[in-house]
Amino acid sequence: GESVGLHLPTLSVQEGDNSIINCAYSNSASDYFIWYKQESGKGPQFIIDIRSNMDKRQGQRVTVLLNKTVKHLSLQIAATQPGDSAVYFCAETPRGSARQLTFGSGTQLTVLP
Amino acid sequence: EPEVTQTPSHQVTQMGQEVILRCVPISNHLYFYWYRQILGQKVEFLVSFYNNEISEKSEIFDDQFSVERPDGSNFTLKIRSTKLEDSAMYFCASSAGVNTEAFFGQGTRLTVV
Repeated sequence: GESVGLHLPTLSVQEGDNSIINCAYSNSASDYFIWYKQESGKGPQFIIDIRSNMDKRQGQRVTVLLNKTVKHLSLQIAATQPGDSAVYFCAETPRGSARQLTFGSGTQLTVLP
Repeated sequence: EPEVTQTPSHQVTQMGQEVILRCVPISNHLYFYWYRQILGQKVEFLVSFYNNEISEKSEIFDDQFSVERPDGSNFTLKIRSTKLEDSAMYFCASSAGVNTEAFFGQGTRLTVV
């Protein structure tokens, strides 16, 4: 069936290094993609989004890349900080959907001092 | 900064009992959602709500579940007869429009015993 999944369940990076978190999706009708950050005991927090008519979008210290050819999404975090430690989910929604987000299984990012 | 608020933060209930989870979405938002996250698993879509009716629902959202917007500010999820497998974090979310950023609440941890 259609699914959104993550390549790696855990990622450890040194403070100050860049982080790259990857996500694969299989629904070719996906139209809108979002990265969420979830800290322990909290709800998902929006980081950045991208629509299918774009291949790159930048925010503050974060960049999302979308490769529709291979159905791949990545989140790049520049100069990773201890506060970036969390679980990161990619999520997608198909065109025309009333926001039925499908979440991936998450990647635990740990920032090492 | 506006936020989605959920009450209670933790609800313990006996199997077979009815529970109502409450949410106050962001005031100018028009789309409302419930998601759940079983411990250690991905966030799953339950239902979306717009213009006082359900827009979409997942297979999880069976006859035991219902949603309501009883007044201009609250959005509730009712589980009529809870089962052990309903134990999860339940997240409410809202967005201003379709395919725009969804803001999540902090969640209600439901424990069915």
